[in-house]
Amino acid sequence: AQKVTQAQTEISVVEKEDVTLDCVYETRDTTYYLFWYKQPPSGELVFLIRRNSFDEQNEISGRYSWNFQKSTSSFNFTITASQVVDSAVYFCALSEAGAYGGSQGNLIFGKGTKLSVKP
Amino acid sequence: DSGVTQTPKHLITATGQRVTLRCSPRSGDLSVYWYQQSLDQGLQFLIQYYNGEERAKGNILERFSAQQFPDLHSELNLSSLELGDSALYFCASSVEVPGELFFGEGSRLTVL
Repeated sequence: AQKVTQAQTEISVVEKEDVTLDCVYETRDTTYYLFWYKQPPSGELVFLIRRNSFDEQNEISGRYSWNFQKSTSSFNFTITASQVVDSAVYFCALSEAGAYGGSQGNLIFGKGTKLSVKP
Repeated sequence: DSGVTQTPKHLITATGQRVTLRCSPRSGDLSVYWYQQSLDQGLQFLIQYYNGEERAKGNILERFSAQQFPDLHSELNLSSLELGDSALYFCASSVEVPGELFFGEGSRLTVL
């Protein structure tokens, strides 16, 4: 069975601190997709990144970076120099590969990590 | 703005009632997904439609049903509502081979 665990329920940091959000997943599939979504206080879910199981390269996008390690089944998310606007709930998610090679689309979400960045 | 439109944004109703939530996907997206977000269950996949046909089913109760119409909009019908059905219901859409799901702003259902 597929499962995503985000052990950190809540994290509080002060602005400009770096923070890492942990994500551990379980799957028996060899092809799968991992995602991070952000849910700000306004409630909508915002896509941040998708990574397939064959691409273990770390990715950096501005202040955001992601570390994918298949050996430990982890897909951690780091925010560098955090800002108040980063305050949100962050979800890690997993999906199987669909029939056409892309993500199946029916995501298994973790419980989320609530990040509070204080000024 | 994700391009996915959900109505209504808020809905308050009583136990035993029936409600319909509506979703218009992004232009050109053939797949529609419904998710439920509640405090105890978190975000859970309910059901997926692709071009009018049901493609995948998740933890959707028998009291709930959905459909996707020829114009690709989708409706989620929730009947015999219980207190525990109070949640935020998200619709998302994607292209045929999704790289990401585009979520609407959600419909917040409160059952009293």
